[in-house]
Amino acid sequence: EVQLLESGGGLVQPGGSLRLSCVASGFTYNIYAMTWVRQAPGKGLEWVSGISGSGDNTYYADSVKGRFTISRDNSRNTLYLQMNSLRAEDTAVYHCAKTIGSGWYCFDDWGQGTLVTVSS
Amino acid sequence: EIVLTQSPGTLSLSPGERATLSCRASQSVNGNYLAWYQQKPGQTPRLVIYGASSRATGIPDRFSGSASGTDFTLTISRLEPEDFAVYYCQQHGNTPFTFGPGTKVDIK
Repeated sequence: EVQLLESGGGLVQPGGSLRLSCVASGFTYNIYAMTWVRQAPGKGLEWVSGISGSGDNTYYADSVKGRFTISRDNSRNTLYLQMNSLRAEDTAVYHCAKTIGSGWYCFDDWGQGTLVTVSS
Repeated sequence: EIVLTQSPGTLSLSPGERATLSCRASQSVNGNYLAWYQQKPGQTPRLVIYGASSRATGIPDRFSGSASGTDFTLTISRLEPEDFAVYYCQQHGNTPFTFGPGTKVDIK
């Protein structure tokens, strides 16, 4: 059974930083691209960032490019999202998700998410 | 960035009826790589369709997807009680990957 467990969320002031983690289990982690998707309270889904299985290729939404950095440690089955220069509009639940494989960037398993609140 | 527009915003139907949800892309999506997700309150999204017309694992065959140019459609042939939810489309053919705003299917 695939399990994805996020951590690292919390309350941070505007301009601050947070690092999210997602520990994966139940599948061969290093062959699947992974992604972060966020959902503001009561709002829709927003794709944030993605990374290939090897970690060589990374992708970002325009809204976070230059501020967020995605990475992975395949020896620890862990996905990360380093978030800098945080803004109020970054407030959301951040989900890590596993792609379906074969280069398809759609997502068949999701973690429950970690809440990030950006407020003074 | 490809912008996805979903219509209608809300679809009010009765169990047993046919649901037709639309997702329009602002430009061509590579490979017609368009996915649909179902999300119920308090739950994470569930992948329903990918590649415009391929059903995800465990999805019943009352769900189908199609594409015509930049227009994509999710059809639920006969609504079951468990199908009432919010449905999001997502294009996975062009970076940055983007989601639509969602269509809520609620009980009439």
